[in-house]
Amino acid sequence: DQQVKQNSPSLSVQEGRISILNCDYTNSMFDYFLWYKKYPAEGPTFLISISSIKDKNEDGRFTVFLNKSAKHLSLHIVPSQPGDSAVYFCAASALGNQFYFGTGTSLTVIP
Amino acid sequence: GAGVSQSPSNKVTEKGKDVELRCDPISGHTALYWYRQSLGQGLEFLIYFQGNSAPDKSGLPSDRFSAERTGGSVSTLTIQRTQQEDSAVYLCASSRRDGRTYEQYFGPGTRLTVT
Repeated sequence: DQQVKQNSPSLSVQEGRISILNCDYTNSMFDYFLWYKKYPAEGPTFLISISSIKDKNEDGRFTVFLNKSAKHLSLHIVPSQPGDSAVYFCAASALGNQFYFGTGTSLTVIP
Repeated sequence: GAGVSQSPSNKVTEKGKDVELRCDPISGHTALYWYRQSLGQGLEFLIYFQGNSAPDKSGLPSDRFSAERTGGSVSTLTIQRTQQEDSAVYLCASSRRDGRTYEQYFGPGTRLTVT
């Protein structure tokens, strides 16, 4: 069963606008969440993370929001740039051991 | 600085043959993970090594899959008697696991095709 879900396989956004990528999880024991970015033929690269003791973490143009009651997290990218076009994976873990990944959302930023 | 490296980058093998995939983690990283990504799927956890502890093998899909980590560094994932459903990109990641930082650094992956 898929414990981490990304229900939108793709998203297109105009350059300069906000990109919002969503992720839902089912396991209330998850206490650490990460977002990764993946270009074709490369491994995923770490983008930003958040611990369950927080509800927001910001790093430059990237902000991750965590809603524990809804078991939902989102990644906001603002302003979006063409170089942000990639597949974005969210991942979750309990105690930092096994990590569960979503199926990814392909973001296209249109110049 | 050197990142995580994996070899080979591509492997085509016949059904029924054994394959070995190699991962060189970042020096000093105590944790090492293997994942696979099948077409159109997310990353599927396979196995996790942390220091000298017994590995977490709970993600291995069958007993045809095994992995070793020698000297706390290089890891080899072995798939015996390969099947067509084993075709996927196999990704390795390493992590420092210091404090509360669990960020994993991924290698470029090995694309395995079983014909």
